[in-house]
Amino acid sequence: EPEVTQTPSHQVTQMGQEVILRCVPISNHLYFYWYRQILGQKVEFLVSFYNNEISEKSEIFDDQFSVERPDGSNFTLKIRSTKLEDSAMYFCASRGIRDSNSPLHFGNGTRLTVT
Amino acid sequence: AQSVAQPEDQVNVAEGNPLTVKCTYSVSGNPYLFWYVQYPNRGLQFLLKYITGDNLVKGSYGFEAEFNKSQTSFHLKKPSALVSDSALYFCAVRGPQEGRRALTFGSGTRLQVQP
Repeated sequence: EPEVTQTPSHQVTQMGQEVILRCVPISNHLYFYWYRQILGQKVEFLVSFYNNEISEKSEIFDDQFSVERPDGSNFTLKIRSTKLEDSAMYFCASRGIRDSNSPLHFGNGTRLTVT
Repeated sequence: AQSVAQPEDQVNVAEGNPLTVKCTYSVSGNPYLFWYVQYPNRGLQFLLKYITGDNLVKGSYGFEAEFNKSQTSFHLKKPSALVSDSALYFCAVRGPQEGRRALTFGSGTRLQVQP
């Protein structure tokens, strides 16, 4: 079964540094998402992306965050200047286009640790 | 705004006993409701969804959920729990007017099944 893959599995960075989290969604999916989860708690929506543009973003997704689909397969989340509170698990998800209620398929996440 | 409440941080049940994980929601219009499960160090996996039709929906691994419109609830159930069901369970909702809006997740309930 096709999977969403995320790299790296764990990223450690110093406060103020830029990080890029990478995702390869399922190949025939067209809706892409980033969520984050702090300390195994609530899963929080960050941003959704469709047709090469952001379709929705949450209040968490401020100017420090950006997303990009640089080619036909990758979907990246960039944090320009990381803060301690950005430490979390970041999950990428994708879904297909035919059914707007089709389930999200999640990757295994990238654990970001900001020191 | 749409929201989900999972009132129990943890549910403990003995193997072989029935289990219920509670979820209530708030959304404008008819809801689209989902349950996801998260195992340690993994992404969320889809269990089941309610879109329309029968109030009792069946999903993966023997789980089912009952939609109750008057109580705005969507409790997850299983007739006989297994130790391997121990995981973190998330309820999620989306409203019909928000066609591309991402799911809103609850805070999660940790299910612990004792042998």
